Amino acid sequence: GQNIDQPTEMTATEGAIVQINCTYQTSGFNGLFWYQQHAGEAPTFLSYNVLDGLEEKGRFSSFLSRSKGYSYLLLKELQMKDSASYLCAVPFYGNNRLAFGKGNQVVVIP
Amino acid sequence: GAGVSQSPSNKVTEKGKDVELRCDPISGHTALYWYRQSLGQGLEFLIYFQGNSAPDKSGLPSDRFSAERTGGSVSTLTIQRTQQEDSAVYLCASSLFSRQDTQYFGPGTRLTVL
Repeated sequence: GQNIDQPTEMTATEGAIVQINCTYQTSGFNGLFWYQQHAGEAPTFLSYNVLDGLEEKGRFSSFLSRSKGYSYLLLKELQMKDSASYLCAVPFYGNNRLAFGKGNQVVVIP
Repeated sequence: GAGVSQSPSNKVTEKGKDVELRCDPISGHTALYWYRQSLGQGLEFLIYFQGNSAPDKSGLPSDRFSAERTGGSVSTLTIQRTQQEDSAVYLCASSLFSRQDTQYFGPGTRLTVL
């Protein structure tokens, strides 16, 4: 089965850097997704990691370690609009579900 | 269309009534997913459709829930004899083909059962 763990909430100041962690246990591995979800809105895709290492996309970077079952999302130069919940998700092995973590709520303050 | 659309955006119903939620996926996407998100919770998988294959219904919480996808495009999620615990946001997503493909979510239907 799949088990995904994320911390629940963090507060950070505009312009700062935050790291959002995700640990997972899965009986197979087919990549890891990060989604951003603003309050009352649908999740939107941020990144997909299937190989170990860091992938950078502008202010957002995502890291994966398959041996440790661990990923993080790094948000740099925080802006107020980055206040949202950040969800990590892994596909179930052998079928096409995505198992989502409960999300990490990031609150950006001035 | 430009994105995944869902209707209605909000639905308030009385306990015991049936409801139908609709999803229009992105044109050309063969995979369609339904999820449920309760307040403060993560997304709970409900059902998955891929092309003409039999749907993966393993996430449906009870036999009151059913879904169909007509012509490989539009999908309807039906909840019969609604209960208060069914209150949640129901999200639909589509992807090009498989689980490794990015899923694009619709805006969701907020269901409130009184």
